[in-house]
Amino acid sequence: GDSVTQMEGPVTLSEEAFLTINCTYTATGYPSLFWYVQYPGEGLQLLLKATKADDKGSNKGFEATYRKETTSFHLEKGSVQVSDSAVYFCALSVFNTGNQFYFGTGTSLTVIP
Amino acid sequence: GAVVSQHPSRVICKSGTSVKIECRSLDFQATTMFWYRQFPKQSLMLMATSNEGSKATYEQGVEKDKFLINHASLTLSTLTVTSAHPEDSSFYICSARYGGGYTFGSGTRLTVV
Repeated sequence: GDSVTQMEGPVTLSEEAFLTINCTYTATGYPSLFWYVQYPGEGLQLLLKATKADDKGSNKGFEATYRKETTSFHLEKGSVQVSDSAVYFCALSVFNTGNQFYFGTGTSLTVIP
Repeated sequence: GAVVSQHPSRVICKSGTSVKIECRSLDFQATTMFWYRQFPKQSLMLMATSNEGSKATYEQGVEKDKFLINHASLTLSTLTVTSAHPEDSSFYICSARYGGGYTFGSGTRLTVV
């Protein structure tokens, strides 16, 4: 079945450090891949997405590339800020399953000054 | 942008009582609402999908008589946890489809004591 495996947290980084959160997926069809972010007390917000292989999603300095050969969609940011502290969810959605989302477990990121 | 307001954000109830969680779409009509549940250190799991004016579709293993979903209007969907027990303690979050994307509520942390 369809699933997402996400790097476990929590992750603690110093400001301006490099961030990588690993995400791999299993899908029976042709998935779209997403990263969602949840700031404290708020709902999930779409951070970035990619709909086909080799696409790169980017937003707010975050990037992730859809790698079909490694079934991965790792999230990266070159220099994190304190305001990036949040929980990050990797997710996939496959059109032929009614666009249901499959989420990873979430990775909590804390950035310290 | 499209906003879903979810209430309450936290609730503590006694075992055997019922709890209602509301999700309101504030600036769009939510014809479809998804309800998710997240156990500690686990993924968000889809519980059910509701369409306005019709019965909800429950995922395998989800007790429809325990988790009552009502989607009586285009702006309101509710999830009622009936006869709650400690094992129902979890994080519940709703999501609505709009246009070409999805928007999420802020989630409800339910603790049953």
